[in-house]
Amino acid sequence: AQSVTQLGSHVSVSEGALVLLRCNYSSSVPPYLFWYVQYPNQGLQLLLKYTSAATLVKGINGFEAEFKKSETSFHLTKPSAHMSDAAEYFCAVSGLYGNKLVFGAGTILRVKS
Amino acid sequence: GAGVSQTPSNKVTEKGKYVELRCDPISGHTALYWYRQSLGQGPEFLIYFQGTGAADDSGLPNDRFFAVRPEGSVSTLKIQRTERGDSAVYLCASSLWGPTGRYQDQETQYFGPGTRLLVL
Repeated sequence: AQSVTQLGSHVSVSEGALVLLRCNYSSSVPPYLFWYVQYPNQGLQLLLKYTSAATLVKGINGFEAEFKKSETSFHLTKPSAHMSDAAEYFCAVSGLYGNKLVFGAGTILRVKS
Repeated sequence: GAGVSQTPSNKVTEKGKYVELRCDPISGHTALYWYRQSLGQGPEFLIYFQGTGAADDSGLPNDRFFAVRPEGSVSTLKIQRTERGDSAVYLCASSLWGPTGRYQDQETQYFGPGTRLLVL
């Protein structure tokens, strides 16, 4: 069985500050890990994914995430927050053979000016 | 290029009615997925198609829910005898799957905008 825990349903940062969104996973097989972003009234957009290649994954809009097997974590970071980053972020895990994604509950990021 | 499209974007129905939700995947994507997102929660898997067949329907909550993909492209999610608890956003996603020569792209699911279902 697979599961994802996102710590913090709401995160608030100031514009220009570091963004850190936490994700821990549980998986009985080598995981594929994903971060998706959802803007209000829009579908999910892929930010980045880990598929057993490099452990530090760079995504769109300046985001990156590091896969740490020993900590079963895949935290999302961005050095400097922008107002346009305000959205809901979902971490997800899938098994070795793809198919279904198991999502966390999401973290709403608020960026203060 | 065109992404995943879903129709209708919004659907309001009465308890006990039947509804159909449609998904048009990205052209050439062999895999198609349905998820349900309730308010304040992450999406939950419902069913996955590989081609025309349902490869995994373990997420369908009960037998009121059914999905088809008769020609391996468009899919329809069907809900019978709707209940208020069925109110949610229904998301569709598609992905490439199979010998594409780009293994690392096989796992990426591209999502549509969703259909917001409200059962009164």
